[in-house]
Amino acid sequence: DTGVSQDPRHKITKRGQNVTFRCDPISEHNRLYWYRQTLGQGPEFLTYFQNEAQLEKSRLLSDRFSAERPKGSFSTLEIQRTEQGDSAMYLCASSSSMGDEQYFGPGTRLTVT
Amino acid sequence: AQSVSQHNHHVILSEAASLELGCNYSYGGTVNLFWYVQYPGQHLQLLLKYFSGDPLVKGIKGFEAEFIKSKFSFNLRKPSVQWSDTAEYFCAVTPNTGKLIFGQGTTLQVKP
Repeated sequence: DTGVSQDPRHKITKRGQNVTFRCDPISEHNRLYWYRQTLGQGPEFLTYFQNEAQLEKSRLLSDRFSAERPKGSFSTLEIQRTEQGDSAMYLCASSSSMGDEQYFGPGTRLTVT
Repeated sequence: AQSVSQHNHHVILSEAASLELGCNYSYGGTVNLFWYVQYPGQHLQLLLKYFSGDPLVKGIKGFEAEFIKSKFSFNLRKPSVQWSDTAEYFCAVTPNTGKLIFGQGTTLQVKP
């Protein structure tokens, strides 16, 4: 399967714990995006990379959130000191160029108890 | 701020009925426009897209959308829906910055 993959698919954590999610984009895509989706809403942009460079971060991305794409391939999204409000589906997408179709992964559903 | 508004949050139709889902965006410059669909238990996938040219674009599964620049609209249509079209539909724009700005989505329920 050459689609976008995300790991884990589900994560339950206690408030205050740190969590890390991984995204593997389609191999030839140089752009990688992170979005967050809560129930009844459309996905909201968090950040994106072109190769290893993080080009834009949303104001939604507080200082507890950090994302990396060290070698321009897979990416990680870390949330430190999780809060209940962080509970959401975290989506990763990739594309080959700006403005082009983005291919989405299945998402990681985070539940903070 | 750039935003996308979808007028219908929940639509219920019988099979063979016609569908039109409204989408308006607020951005004065050039945009690329998309409709994504999320079937139950599946991830988001592209239904159709508009970059330039003919404002009437055709997508998969018999869907089409019309871009009306003067109205900042990109409405989705299908002449005759099927039960398998039951899903959540998202309109999105990317104003040449790469990121997608999504509407809040419309849940379509098609009754057999």
